[in-house]
Amino acid sequence: SQTIHQWPATLVQPVGSPLSLECTVEGTSNPNLYWYRQAAGRGLQLLFYSVGIGQISSEVPQNLSASRPQDRQFILSSKKLLLSDSGFYLCAWSVAVNTGELFFGEGSRLTVL
Amino acid sequence: GDSVTQMEGPVTLSEEAFLTINCTYTATGYPSLFWYVQYPGEGLQLLLKATKADDKGSNKGFEATYRKETTSFHLEKGSVQVSDSAVYFCARGRDDKIIFGKGTRLHILP
Repeated sequence: SQTIHQWPATLVQPVGSPLSLECTVEGTSNPNLYWYRQAAGRGLQLLFYSVGIGQISSEVPQNLSASRPQDRQFILSSKKLLLSDSGFYLCAWSVAVNTGELFFGEGSRLTVL
Repeated sequence: GDSVTQMEGPVTLSEEAFLTINCTYTATGYPSLFWYVQYPGEGLQLLLKATKADDKGSNKGFEATYRKETTSFHLEKGSVQVSDSAVYFCARGRDDKIIFGKGTRLHILP
């Protein structure tokens, strides 16, 4: 069966520090991978998605970047965090968007102080 | 650009009441449409989906019909239960990306 894991689950970082959130999927090949941010009143905002190794699409210009160094690994990064980067980050995978569904990780709560 | 708009909450109903949560979308072409649910303390999970016009998705007593002419995918349930209390997200998928609405929090009172 397929599983998705993301870590760390909770992170408290000072403003200006770097960020790395990691997500891995097991039990499937060539998944579509996604990073979302969930914030109260703003719902689920798509940040990045990837359909293959090295292929990253950015939806919202911001202080974050994403990379996919391996087929089932998706990393969310920042060189210098801002207060506004605080939030709940969700990684997800799917087989095919139009007929499939998204499977979400447990989420990572980031607090920038 | 493409977007999903759903009614703002919170929505509070009594048990056994009829539920409607409105959702409309804008998109070029023909996206797939989804309703996801997030129960308290849990992650998001797919509730139902429809992949083409006039399709009806259903699950756990919930239904939604893909209406191309009104670009809508309203969620309905004939008789809600306390256990239906959750946040519901409408979403559309096309070209490898899924866009979500802001979510509607539903409270069901016993």
